[in-house]
Amino acid sequence: EAGVAQSPRYKIIEKRQSVAFWCNPISGHATLYWYQQILGQGPKLLIQFQNNGVVDDSQLPKDRFSAERLKGVDSTLKIQPAKLEDSAVYLCASSLVGGATADTQYFGPGTRLTVL
Amino acid sequence: AQSVTQPDIHITVSEGASLELRCNYSYGATPYLFWYVQSPGQGLQLLLKYFSGDTLVQGIKGFEAEFKRSQSSFNLRKPSVHWSDAAEYFCAVFLSFGAGTTVTVRA
Repeated sequence: EAGVAQSPRYKIIEKRQSVAFWCNPISGHATLYWYQQILGQGPKLLIQFQNNGVVDDSQLPKDRFSAERLKGVDSTLKIQPAKLEDSAVYLCASSLVGGATADTQYFGPGTRLTVL
Repeated sequence: AQSVTQPDIHITVSEGASLELRCNYSYGATPYLFWYVQSPGQGLQLLLKYFSGDTLVQGIKGFEAEFKRSQSSFNLRKPSVHWSDAAEYFCAVFLSFGAGTTVTVRA
């Protein structure tokens, strides 16, 4: 079974530029998560989708971050404009059901963003 | 709201020795608890999880964890560490992760 795919793996941009990350979850997984992992910290949930609906986006900085999962499969996370403090690894994960269950999350390799 | 504390930032252990990583959580009801491992250049991998039943949970790679409600803890253990266990370990309650513990294994 193919795992969670993310692209690009690395991205370097200057502050105030925009950037987009793509995630393709495991086939059949209803729930998709985006996390931000700053160096030396644990992952922080940005947004959780169930199919194509948003379950939780309470920690998403909505003035600059946006995410969509239009057909309930793959997803895009965008930052516009980027700030220096957005430098981090952006992780995508998926789970079969998700929600309030103890469903196992499967993580992608992440996209490392450097903002100069 | 839930939160997780991992008191040890870095632990060094000799190969073959036992390992225990501490995790304390804050949550009002019965939590869903997880331990993940993140090796250099690799994604996060689930080691084990607890949400009900037996408080001693067995996971992959020879790891186990014990849920202690009275102490709000979910400590991870391994009886004999291998060099390949060098990695960063994260405890999580639901979707909230701790800051992680880096494990170094010396020969």
